Amino acid sequence: DAGVTQSPTHLIKTRGQQVTLRCSPKSGHDTVSWYQQALGQGPQFIFQYYEEEERQRGNFPDRFSGHQFPNYSSELNVNALLLGDSALYLCASSLYRQGEYGYTFGSGTRLTVV
Amino acid sequence: AQSVTQLGSHVSVSEGALVLLRCNYSSSVPPYLFWYVQYPNQGLQLLLKYTSAATLVKGINGFEAEFKKSETSFHLTKPSAHMSDAAEYFCAVSDGFQKLVFGTGTRLLVSP
Repeated sequence: DAGVTQSPTHLIKTRGQQVTLRCSPKSGHDTVSWYQQALGQGPQFIFQYYEEEERQRGNFPDRFSGHQFPNYSSELNVNALLLGDSALYLCASSLYRQGEYGYTFGSGTRLTVV
Repeated sequence: AQSVTQLGSHVSVSEGALVLLRCNYSSSVPPYLFWYVQYPNQGLQLLLKYTSAATLVKGINGFEAEFKKSETSFHLTKPSAHMSDAAEYFCAVSDGFQKLVFGTGTRLLVSP
């Protein structure tokens, strides 16, 4: 049973560029959440997608946007990259509004902005 | 709003010693509580979770945690540390419907 798959694993971008990160959820899960983990910090919630709609959003600017596809996979887009966007981006999948069954995380995408 | 406080950014133990990582939470509703472990350059792996069943929760790799409502705590313990336990540990809280809110993490160092 495949877990959460994220791609790419590493990425280097230049300030001002745009980036797209991808996530395939665990089989049977219908909800995808994205987290940003800066170096030495705990993960911070960016947003959550269910039924192809953004359901919740954390305290992140509009430069961060996302999408969920009919097969439940998801993309995270970041525009106008800043040096401060350098972080590990984690995708977590779950069943909608059933957090007691847990959240499964991928291995993350390490984004470096230079 | 929910929040988590992890006391101690670093904890050092000797191999074979007791591991105790502290987590206190704040929640206006009955919480779901989680402990995750993160090895260098990897994602988060679930160690254990509390979802209002037994207050003493057993997880993987010999870890366990006890939910104490009166103390708003969910401390993680392991009777005997192993070198392979060296990692970053995160406590997180959720109301089951919303996002996970993480603590700042505790780095566990295990010396021979």
